[in-house]
Order: sequence, then structure tokens, then C-alpha cells
Amino acid sequence: GAVVSQHPSWVICKSGTSVKIECRSLDFQATTMFWYRQFPKQSLMLMATSNEGSKATYEQGVEKDKFLINHASLTLSTLTVTSAHPEDSSFYICSARETSGAHQKYFGPGTRLTVT
Amino acid sequence: QQQVKQSPQSLIVQKGGISIINCAYENTAFDYFPWYQQFPGKGPALLIAIRPDVSEKKEGRFTISFNKSAKQFSLHIMDSQPGDSATYFCAASLYNFNKFYFGSGTKLNVKP
Repeated sequence: GAVVSQHPSWVICKSGTSVKIECRSLDFQATTMFWYRQFPKQSLMLMATSNEGSKATYEQGVEKDKFLINHASLTLSTLTVTSAHPEDSSFYICSARETSGAHQKYFGPGTRLTVT
Repeated sequence: QQQVKQSPQSLIVQKGGISIINCAYENTAFDYFPWYQQFPGKGPALLIAIRPDVSEKKEGRFTISFNKSAKQFSLHIMDSQPGDSATYFCAASLYNFNKFYFGSGTKLNVKP
């Protein structure tokens, strides 16, 4: 099956700094990628949808200036958490859908962010 | 308004037993219903999915039962194994749209 990778798998950063998380589709092209946030023992919350070459669409309540998303190629999307605070600590998961239009979404392994 | 409601929150089943997780949805326009399995510290992995034109879909030990009139669907795991212990999420979406609405998750523990 299709593989989606994320880097890093975990990161610790200090409050006030920015951190970038990469999401890559390894063996398929993804026009659309999605970023989710998951708190412990809770469900996935869609943060934003990114389309290659255009601006991301953010869900209601998600600060677009804080969570910067870039989808520069058909295999790479990045999420940058700017001026991170402890409340941004969470598990961030990306998902990708094949350009071919198949409805199947493939999820990455997630990135654990801890802000101290 | 929660679009997809999932129950139970947690489930303990003996090895070899049947695990049943239920979901109910609100939007009658939804036409794609996947189930995901998630292990701790990992991303969700698609287990099985169904569209509303069929009432049941089986893949190995995993079966989705779908009741369109009741707006409910369920996951049945036959001959449950300790390796099935994970959190399971149901979801619903419109087939050609991007947004998945996830259930709240069910933590399954299969006892040896």
C-alpha cells in the first residue's frame, strides 16, 4: 500500500520557538494533504487541507498564522508551528490522498510535539 | 454538532471472542464509511471501508455491517486476538470531498 512518512517522529522545543514538521508521500503523488491534531485518548481533529501550489484551507478555530502550511510539491507538505507554547503540545498526523482521485487516504505515523 | 457518534469508549474481549464497535451518523449525504486502527504512538491505518450501496462487507476477520435506514454502521472483529488490541475509529465522509468526520474512538483490549 501507499506510504506516508513524517519527520521528525518526535520533537521537543522551547516555548517561543518554531518547529517544522514534514509530511511526504513516498510512492505516490498527492495533490491534497491533510493535517490533523490528536490529543491523548481523543479523536483526530482536522486542522487544515493543503493543495499543492495553493494556499491551505483551515478549519474553523485553527489559527493560520500560527500553523503555517506549505505544500510545495506533489510529495511534500510542511506544517510549521510558530511561536510554540505548551498548549501546542500534541500529536500531529498528516494524511495524503492520491492525485489519481482515489478516495483512499493514507495516514503518516505522526509527530509528537512537546513544548517546554 | 457531532457528526459521528461512536460507542463504546472502551471494550474488553477475551481472546477468540467477537468485538463489536458501533457508530451512528447524522448526515444522510455521507456515502463513505471507513474504519481505522491505531496503535499507540502511530498514525491510523485503514482497516476496512464501506459504501452505502451494500449492507455488509467482510475482509478476513473484520466485517462492517451497515444499516442505512438507521444511519448506523458497526465493526465486528471475529476471533479477536491480543494483537488486535488498539484504538479503533470510525469515520464518515462524502465520497468526493476531503473532510472525514471521525468518531471519538474505541480502545479495544483483547485478553489472552
